[in-house]
Amino acid sequence: DAKTTQPNSMESNEEEPVHLPCNHSTISGTDYIHWYRQLPSQGPEYVIHGLTSNVNNRMASLAIAEDRKSSTLILHRATLRDAAVYYCILRDVASNTGKLIFGQGTTLQVKP
Amino acid sequence: DSGVTQTPKHLITATGQRVTLRCSPRSGDLSVYWYQQSLDQGLQFLIQYYNGEERAKGNILERFSAQQFPDLHSELNLSSLELGDSALYFCASSGHPLGNSPLHFGNGTRLTVT
Repeated sequence: DAKTTQPNSMESNEEEPVHLPCNHSTISGTDYIHWYRQLPSQGPEYVIHGLTSNVNNRMASLAIAEDRKSSTLILHRATLRDAAVYYCILRDVASNTGKLIFGQGTTLQVKP
Repeated sequence: DSGVTQTPKHLITATGQRVTLRCSPRSGDLSVYWYQQSLDQGLQFLIQYYNGEERAKGNILERFSAQQFPDLHSELNLSSLELGDSALYFCASSGHPLGNSPLHFGNGTRLTVT
């Protein structure tokens, strides 16, 4: 499974945008970039995924570099509820399992 | 609410015992995944089933086993429990493994082995 690298922790102020980076220099052509987050005392929660183009949904935006070796999850206005561990995961669409391999993720703190 | 139900929420047992964790997937999902989360190891993939058959195996100990039943619910059996098995165990479900249907996670079973 191709690996991702994320900062261990980040801080943000409430109501400001947050940019969470992820490096994946060994990404393959069939790897999709997935983001999940885990709020305290809960199971992981799907956030967004993409292949090449930037993606937007109601939770966040995903910006993917042209060479696909890095991506950034963007929370447009952080709230206290966004404090969580954010995981960037490569998922091979050609794989016959669909399993996710989690790394250590980025712990996001949001200050009021 | 993810639609994935895990029972029990908490389980306290002694070393050497055996326990069964249960997972009901989201309606319509055929794939079930089990994960273990401990403080020092993070989220570890254990095993996956698709429509009743084992599809992928991760870092699952020989003392652990799982199955998926015809009604698609799944059980994770942990035997000869050790202190180090204390962890949160998550179940997730999704649609067909090929493609990008997201995984939906339950809120976990917290196992404490004393």
